[in-house]
Amino acid sequence: QKEVEQNSGPLSVPEGAIASLNCTYSDRGSQSFFWYRQYSGKSPELIMSIYSNGDKEDGRFTAQLNKASQYVSLLIRDSQPSDSATYLCAVNMLRLDQFYFGTGTSLTVIP
Amino acid sequence: ETGVTQTPRHLVMGMTNKKSLKCEQHLGHNAMYWYKQSAKKPLELMFVYSLEERVENNSVPSRFSPECPNSSHLFLHLHTLQPEDSALYLCASSQDVTRDRREGYTFGSGTRLTVV
Repeated sequence: QKEVEQNSGPLSVPEGAIASLNCTYSDRGSQSFFWYRQYSGKSPELIMSIYSNGDKEDGRFTAQLNKASQYVSLLIRDSQPSDSATYLCAVNMLRLDQFYFGTGTSLTVIP
Repeated sequence: ETGVTQTPRHLVMGMTNKKSLKCEQHLGHNAMYWYKQSAKKPLELMFVYSLEERVENNSVPSRFSPECPNSSHLFLHLHTLQPEDSALYLCASSQDVTRDRREGYTFGSGTRLTVV
């Protein structure tokens, strides 16, 4: 089992729709969870962090965490073509005392 | 200049060459990292430095040799690489290396390395 799993996609949504990106992780003791956005040919950019169960909203982005299900998601409301990128999920594995990244989900927002 | 800068942006080297990647952070962070990003694979942690001291080496082959002369600069020295080492090498920094690691990383723009 991979430490952090993401659906590689590609995920395509029309402009204005909600994009839903999902991530599962193996270490039940994980404490910190992050979403990074990576445009093609660029470096990852931190866009959201979440530590507690529930939802955390920041503008058009909402991170959702369910530690019992070992599941973290990112919702992007009113998706824009500029949101087209690869989204990386990162989890701080307490057991291993380091971050693990998923392979990323490629999102395309169609105008 | 702000953030994390990496040079060069692109590098092509032969298997017998020796080259170095450079990373500089202007954020006042105490921890710096080297990651490898290959196609269809998760980011792989290579090295971690905290206050210029190496705190982690993730079973990286000896053909990769890191150096951290101060908390703002990080190098990755490369020699006798293999074609499978071709990848995007990312430098990152964070305020400090803690078990909580609540702040996430700031990544540099990366060096696209091709070994021929």
